[in-house]
Amino acid sequence: QQPVQSPQAVILREGEDAVINCSSSKALYSVHWYRQKHGEAPVFLMILLKGGEQKGHDKISASFNEKKQQSSLYLTASQLSYSGTYFCGTDTTGANNLFFGTGTRLTVIP
Amino acid sequence: DGGITQSPKYLFRKEGQNVTLSCEQNLNHDAMYWYRQDPGQGLRLIYYSQIVNDFQKGDIAEGYSVSREKKESFPLTVTSAQKNPTAFYLCASITPSGAAFFGQGTRLTVV
Repeated sequence: QQPVQSPQAVILREGEDAVINCSSSKALYSVHWYRQKHGEAPVFLMILLKGGEQKGHDKISASFNEKKQQSSLYLTASQLSYSGTYFCGTDTTGANNLFFGTGTRLTVIP
Repeated sequence: DGGITQSPKYLFRKEGQNVTLSCEQNLNHDAMYWYRQDPGQGLRLIYYSQIVNDFQKGDIAEGYSVSREKKESFPLTVTSAQKNPTAFYLCASITPSGAAFFGQGTRLTVV
């Protein structure tokens, strides 16, 4: 039930954009996105519920295509602080029991 | 300050020993979860509890045990039956809307 994330790693220069994808083999109730910096706990970014919604705050946004069982995280005009590993978590039942992908390591360089 | 507190931050276990990882929250959340993270891997669910005195196995529960006697506390015991316990352990509590708040983790090493 683990979702598949792509790419596994990406390196950006400050100001560039990136897209991280999350794909599930099962129908999804919701998709959650988290960012984890090295040696720290994951930090909640956003939840998207079924219904095909989009969300965003600051320059980080996400979409959820319920039909395709996919979600994408968009990072625009990247900043050094965006560096970290991004995880998607998928909920197939509505009970908030999340299965996490293996993560996408994002590195932003000056 | 509200949050999730895990202790200890680092823990060393000898072969054949049981150890208990502490997780306390003062966020008044009903749901609490334990995850294991290995290098280069995602988070894998060990156990979860949606309410006091009730808990369910996750994907990798073998060799672990939990209790939920109080809303605020969800300790995880790594037993000697867990053959490869070296990992980073994360505890989380979940808001009613589904957002997970994680503790700072416990890094367990077998010596």
